Amino acid sequence: AQSVTQLGSHVSVSEGALVLLRCNYSSSVPPYLFWYVQYPNQGLQLLLKYTTGATLVKGINGFEAEFKKSETSFHLTKPSAHMSDAAEYFCAVSEGDSGNTPLVFGKGTRLSVIA
Amino acid sequence: EAQVTQNPRYLITVTGKKLTVTCSQNMNHEYMSWYRQDPGLGLRQIYYSMNVEVTDKGDVPEGYKVSRKEKRNFPLILESPSPNQTSLYFCASSPSGTAYNSPLHFGNGTRLTVT
Repeated sequence: AQSVTQLGSHVSVSEGALVLLRCNYSSSVPPYLFWYVQYPNQGLQLLLKYTTGATLVKGINGFEAEFKKSETSFHLTKPSAHMSDAAEYFCAVSEGDSGNTPLVFGKGTRLSVIA
Repeated sequence: EAQVTQNPRYLITVTGKKLTVTCSQNMNHEYMSWYRQDPGLGLRQIYYSMNVEVTDKGDVPEGYKVSRKEKRNFPLILESPSPNQTSLYFCASSPSGTAYNSPLHFGNGTRLTVT
């Protein structure tokens, strides 16, 4: 069964600094990978996803993630953090392309941005 | 506006008192699902529904019931709530399952406290 590990339950960066949120996965087949963001008092929103093709995926709000099969990683980055990026981020993995394919979420990483 | 609406946002109840959390979506989505979010555990799926009158268990279904009589509504029922069901609950929907090309849309959550 697939699984997701997010390194660091809490990451703190200064405004303008690089954001790096780490995600490693395990999967027996080529995975589909997702990052979701949860702003305070809101539900999760899809930030970006990797399905096939280009391994560098761009999402909303300047975020991007790179799928590295050899490292089984899908780390999320943003060159310059903004105060509005403070939120909880979830990495998720899916192995299928139909039905209720299990979508397994990581435990989340809370990002704080310091002025 | 396309959205998933959950009610109530906050609920405090006592052990054993039956309660229902409502969920409604206005996007004509076939797939709906309930998750619970607990600190350090991420999101775990409770129940899901592929279409009207079709429901199935997720990873943590014990103590919960659901129904899907209409496409837009997917209520979560706790017949006899217990303190270990204190959690943040999310309803989600998608056009067709959790496939990579069918991203989930989440409600804003219901924070339930059972004393």
